[in-house]
Amino acid sequence: GQQVMQIPQYQHVQEGEDFTTYCNSSTTLSNIQWYKQRPGGHPVFLIQLVKSGEVKKQKRLTFQFGEAKKNSSLHITATQTTDVGTYFCAGKPRGAQKLVFGQGTRLTINP
Amino acid sequence: DGGITQSPKYLFRKEGQNVTLSCEQNLNHDAMYWYRQDPGQGLRLIYYSQIVNDFQKGDIAEGYSVSREKKESFPLTVTSAQKNPTAFYLCASSIAYGPTDTQYFGPGTRLTVL
Repeated sequence: GQQVMQIPQYQHVQEGEDFTTYCNSSTTLSNIQWYKQRPGGHPVFLIQLVKSGEVKKQKRLTFQFGEAKKNSSLHITATQTTDVGTYFCAGKPRGAQKLVFGQGTRLTINP
Repeated sequence: DGGITQSPKYLFRKEGQNVTLSCEQNLNHDAMYWYRQDPGQGLRLIYYSQIVNDFQKGDIAEGYSVSREKKESFPLTVTSAQKNPTAFYLCASSIAYGPTDTQYFGPGTRLTVL
């Protein structure tokens, strides 16, 4: 079935380093959503991108939606220990009837 | 407080027993969802409901059943037919059923089958 692939699966960084996770689809996505799940918690909505080439920022977080609407990225500048968690992307591939979640990128940080 | 509640937080059952997980929302959302999360994996959709008295199978519905008799409630039953039921179960809701509708998740129920 339609899939939304997310890489890397795991990322470990030193506090203060940057972090990026990527989301890719083989077909066009009508939109992309990003969620964060803290350890032991539940996913919490962060942001949604709809337009081709769209870029949105939330403090140290930068979200991009590719020009072809097939990929997206989340970049965190100067990570802090509060950024620890798993980041999921979710999008609706062309032909799909529902939102499809990526596998998530688990971020751990060495203080 | 508005939100989604799931109970219990932890649940233990013996193999072969059916178990029902509760999900309640007071957000007045039409759509509700059940996901399963296994370690190192993403969220897999079990069932979803667009409106009261209607529900649809997701990607991994086998061994599960649901009901949607009230707008605010969407219980999930894990039956003995589910071969590997130990997992973290997340309920979510959205204003309507659409790919651009934000999903709000409950705190989850961690089910362990012994």
